[in-house]
Amino acid sequence: QSVLTQPPSVSGAPGQRVTISCTGTSSNIGAGYAVHWYQQLPGTAPKLFIYGDFNRPSGVPDRISGSKSGTSATLAITGLQAEDEADYYCQSYDSSLSGVIFGGGTKLTVL
Amino acid sequence: QVQLQESGPGLVKPSQTLSLTCSVSGGSISRGTYYYSWTRQHPGRGLEWIGYIYNSGRTSYNPSLKSRVIISVDISKNQFSLRLSSVTVADTAIYFCTRVDTSNALYFGVDVWGQGATVTVS
Repeated sequence: QSVLTQPPSVSGAPGQRVTISCTGTSSNIGAGYAVHWYQQLPGTAPKLFIYGDFNRPSGVPDRISGSKSGTSATLAITGLQAEDEADYYCQSYDSSLSGVIFGGGTKLTVL
Repeated sequence: QVQLQESGPGLVKPSQTLSLTCSVSGGSISRGTYYYSWTRQHPGRGLEWIGYIYNSGRTSYNPSLKSRVIISVDISKNQFSLRLSSVTVADTAIYFCTRVDTSNALYFGVDVWGQGATVTVS
């Protein structure tokens, strides 16, 4: 059982907007620790997708955005494309564990 | 650009010790605000942090694995290693070595991933 909670799956048609939630507790997201998101394509290692709550690494398009409020964070993808179909993981730091924590992952399906 | 590469046996017998090494290229493991870490992914499942080490040798481990894990660093070889003892079939997974950045912008985020090493316990 993951410390951060994500929906197992989300889906949307091409061009639509989807969001993926990530819920934590007062010892991680609620404590103000940064939330990061990773995209994992089949058979590959995860790739940093959003860092520091809302920052995009170079190469990630601006239709991708991140936000955080309270004990939750959200990844939003607008103008959905077939290439967005992947698994997405949120991640933060937990002070009670003194370590890195991940969400359980969300599979995005483009219909 | 820093790159990480895992190496080690792909098959380990139950009750034995899993040993993996991560070679760091393109940068010195002794420099910067980085922890060097191991994360695993069970088949078809999510990501599980195992633990990390700083270049000083300071470590932190996932409490669920702490009794069986040792992460060490060899500055001279620019490598760090994972040892997981008393393995069972439940330890079958892809093991990723990663770099965790502790700078302000990427506070404890993973900015570099190895390609992953598949380890089967059987």
